[in-house]
Amino acid sequence: KAGVTQTPRYLIKTRGQQVTLSCSPISGHRSVSWYQQTPGQGLQFLFEYFSETQRNKGNFPGRFSGRQFSNSRSEMNVSTLELGDSALYLCASSPESYTQYFGPGTRLTVL
Amino acid sequence: KNQVEQSPQSLIILEGKNCTLQCNYTVSPFSNLRWYKQDTGRGPVSLTIMTFSENTKSNGRYTATLDADTKQSSLHITASQLSDSASYICVVSPPNFGKGTSLLVTP
Repeated sequence: KAGVTQTPRYLIKTRGQQVTLSCSPISGHRSVSWYQQTPGQGLQFLFEYFSETQRNKGNFPGRFSGRQFSNSRSEMNVSTLELGDSALYLCASSPESYTQYFGPGTRLTVL
Repeated sequence: KNQVEQSPQSLIILEGKNCTLQCNYTVSPFSNLRWYKQDTGRGPVSLTIMTFSENTKSNGRYTATLDADTKQSSLHITASQLSDSASYICVVSPPNFGKGTSLLVTP
């Protein structure tokens, strides 16, 4: 089975722009979660989608949003980018069990 | 407030030696505790998952222990290899993440 794929792998944006990141889960996995990882804060939970519905949400401002499509693919959008949004954004998919499988991440740099 | 504290923050050991990483938590309610390994530039990979009733679980040279009474977990790495150099992340009743322990194994 193919693993979790994320595109793009690297992205450079400027302050004020918006960005959309994409995640394709492992085939058959209906849950997709997004995380932000920075050196200072470690991994922080953004949100989880299950069958196109947001099931859980972390403590991030409304500039961070997401959605899931009927094929379980998910997108994450960040509007009005700030310098502090520079991070590795990780997507993880899971079947209806405990195990999460992470993608390689998208490295976002905001200048 | 749910918290997950990992120690040490970083660790350097010689190849072939053993080491133990610690994870203390104040998360409630507790459902499960996971250890992940994250190589530089890659996403985390699951090593072990333990529920409340489990107090030890092994995955090759990795052995995780859980004391739900004291809310402590440890990850023991036996006969370390250069490829064990990575960040090890403890996650409790997701999505409560520790900040990780950075392990460097040197020749």
